[in-house]
Amino acid sequence: KNQVEQSPQSLIILEGKNCTLQCNYTVSPFSNLRWYKQDTGRGPVSLTIMTFSENTKSNGRYTATLDADTKQSSLHITASQLSDSASYICVVSARKGTYKYIFGTGTRLKVLA
Amino acid sequence: GAGVSQSPSNKVTEKGKDVELRCDPISGHTALYWYRQSLGQGLEFLIYFQGNSAPDKSGLPSDRFSAERTGGSVSTLTIQRTQQEDSAVYLCASSILGGTGELFFGEGSRLTVL
Repeated sequence: KNQVEQSPQSLIILEGKNCTLQCNYTVSPFSNLRWYKQDTGRGPVSLTIMTFSENTKSNGRYTATLDADTKQSSLHITASQLSDSASYICVVSARKGTYKYIFGTGTRLKVLA
Repeated sequence: GAGVSQSPSNKVTEKGKDVELRCDPISGHTALYWYRQSLGQGLEFLIYFQGNSAPDKSGLPSDRFSAERTGGSVSTLTIQRTQQEDSAVYLCASSILGGTGELFFGEGSRLTVL
């Protein structure tokens, strides 16, 4: 069964600290993996996309990694800011032929001053 | 418009009433999805439209839920005889290519059924 699991469920850190969010998936055949950021009361917005051949991709203070062998991805946030407080959702797409996205339940991050 | 537009942003209704939620996708995006997000939960797939093809309605939770997409653009999600468990945020997303393309989400319609 295609599944995406995220950990931790929630996380509280102090401003300026780093953190890493985890995503494990069992989706097969794999096409790509995206991390979305969802601010409270807003729709999710894509941060990064990882394809099968990519190991690391950065978007500012956000760095995503992908290990296609172990089917794991992480999102590392460097020097966190108050504006990073949000839910982070891991979304996996299967290879062409299906239109369904597999969503994780998200990690809720709270950054404190 | 530049992004996916949803209306209303907030809707409070009484149990048993019908509601209509509207989604205006990004121009040129042929794929359109409706999702439901309950408090603290992940996104639940409701329905998928792709061009002029028959929609995938497999995620609709009951026959009180229906959706249309007119002219391959604007979509409406209708909930008849609303129940308290229908209270959630309803998110619409569009994509150039359904399944592998980036999803662009609207801000959502928050439905509260009293």
